[in-house]
Amino acid sequence: SAVISQKPSRDICQRGTSLTIQCQVDSQVTMMFWYRQQPGQSLTLIATANQGSEATYESGFVIDKFPISRPNLTFSTLTVSNMSPEDSSIYLCSVDSQGYNEQFFGPGTRLTVL
Amino acid sequence: AQSVTQLDSQVPVFEEAPVELRCNYSSSVSVYLFWYVQYPNQGLQLLLKYLSGSTLVKSINGFEAEFNKSQTSFHLRKPSVHISDTAEYFCAVTFTGGGNKLTFGTGTQLKVEL
Repeated sequence: SAVISQKPSRDICQRGTSLTIQCQVDSQVTMMFWYRQQPGQSLTLIATANQGSEATYESGFVIDKFPISRPNLTFSTLTVSNMSPEDSSIYLCSVDSQGYNEQFFGPGTRLTVL
Repeated sequence: AQSVTQLDSQVPVFEEAPVELRCNYSSSVSVYLFWYVQYPNQGLQLLLKYLSGSTLVKSINGFEAEFNKSQTSFHLRKPSVHISDTAEYFCAVTFTGGGNKLTFGTGTQLKVEL
């Protein structure tokens, strides 16, 4: 299995600011995913990030609000831009298991927007 | 449209009693099925998965789930629960041709009481 770390683990931010969340994997992976888990809700996929190409966003999510970088096969960032209280969520990254048809999740970043 | 349904948002149960958490999916293509568990203030962990072969799959901590294609279900069961099983349980599906993207159900909160 892959070991995934995320930074920061939690943050409290002011409305209108931006936060960049980092996701680091201990092995090279092709596909990385970013999810949002709003309070008391399930996980919703934001986008899929592949190295060397632009991220693919799901319906309801746009690059201007959630820009993603994927500079190499072990690292990705998600930025939550121009934040509002509605962005308060847990943001999780996950990676594909390279042929085992399962995803491993990071510990998540708990974001609170005031 | 492809979707995952967990009908029970909360399931209270006494310790050592059996439990079943229900999961149904809707899809016109083949699927892979997963159960993830999220303990309080922790990230998601894969509990078990069905990819192919035997329709009954088991985890190391006593949970099992059975894929029923005719009923499009993947219910999770445990014959005797423990306090430590208290957690949120998410059913998830990847659909053939969906690029390994996970679609999650809304989750079931299992609360084990003495």
